[in-house]
Amino acid sequence: TQLLEQSPQFLSIQEGENLTVYCNSSSVFSSLQWYRQEPGEGPVLLVTVVTGGEVKKLKRLTFQFGDARKDSSLHITAAQPGDTGLYLCAGGVAYSGAGSYQLTFGKGTKLSVIP
Amino acid sequence: NAGVTQTPKFQVLKTGQSMTLQCAQDMNHNSMYWYRQDPGMGLRLIYYSASEGTTDKGEVPNGYNVSRLNKREFSLRLESAAPSQTSVYFCASATGTSASYEQYFGPGTRLTVT
Repeated sequence: TQLLEQSPQFLSIQEGENLTVYCNSSSVFSSLQWYRQEPGEGPVLLVTVVTGGEVKKLKRLTFQFGDARKDSSLHITAAQPGDTGLYLCAGGVAYSGAGSYQLTFGKGTKLSVIP
Repeated sequence: NAGVTQTPKFQVLKTGQSMTLQCAQDMNHNSMYWYRQDPGMGLRLIYYSASEGTTDKGEVPNGYNVSRLNKREFSLRLESAAPSQTSVYFCASATGTSASYEQYFGPGTRLTVT
C-alpha cells in the first residue's frame, strides 16, 4: 500500500500570510495531483505534476514535485479568505494489469484564512 | 454539462438495512470510482471500474458491492448497513493517463447508519 503523508493537518492563518503544505511518501509516483475541496462538495483538481523537479504556478499557488517523485509541496502567497478549504494531494500509479490509473490520496490539510 | 451526478444526497439507514447509491457521468469516461471520506482519513478507494464490464476492489471493499451497469453508470450497494459505514461517499470518473489524468468528482452522498 502506497501512503501519502500530508502536513500540517490543520492550518489557520491571517489574510496576507504565506503558507506551505507538504505531501511526502516513501513511494515513487507517476504523477502527483493537488485537489481542493470545499464543504459539501467533491474535490476539484488544481494541478498535475509529472516530472521530477517540476514547478507549476497557478496565480498565487506554486506547486512543486520532488526530484525523486516521492514528495510535493503547495505554497500559497498572500493567502485570501477564498483560499479556505481542504487541500488534498494524490499520487498517481498506473496498474497495467487492470488497464487502470489510480490515485492514492493524502488525508488532507484543512486551511482557514481569517480576514 | 452535468458532469458526475450522485443520488441520493443524504440518507439515513438503520443497521441491517440495504441501499444502493447511484452514480452517473456524461463525459464518456472509461474509468469510474467509489470513495468514502471520513474525518481525518482522507479519501479511501472502495471499488473501481477501469472500463465497462470490469470492476475491482480498492482499499476498503468489505461490506460493499458494485455494478458497472453501462459506460455511464456505476452503482454502490450496501447489503447490510453497519454504523461503521457512516461516511460521505464520492463517485468519480476519470480520463487520460499520467500527465493528462484527471478525476471528476460528484457532490457526494452523506450516509448515516444508526
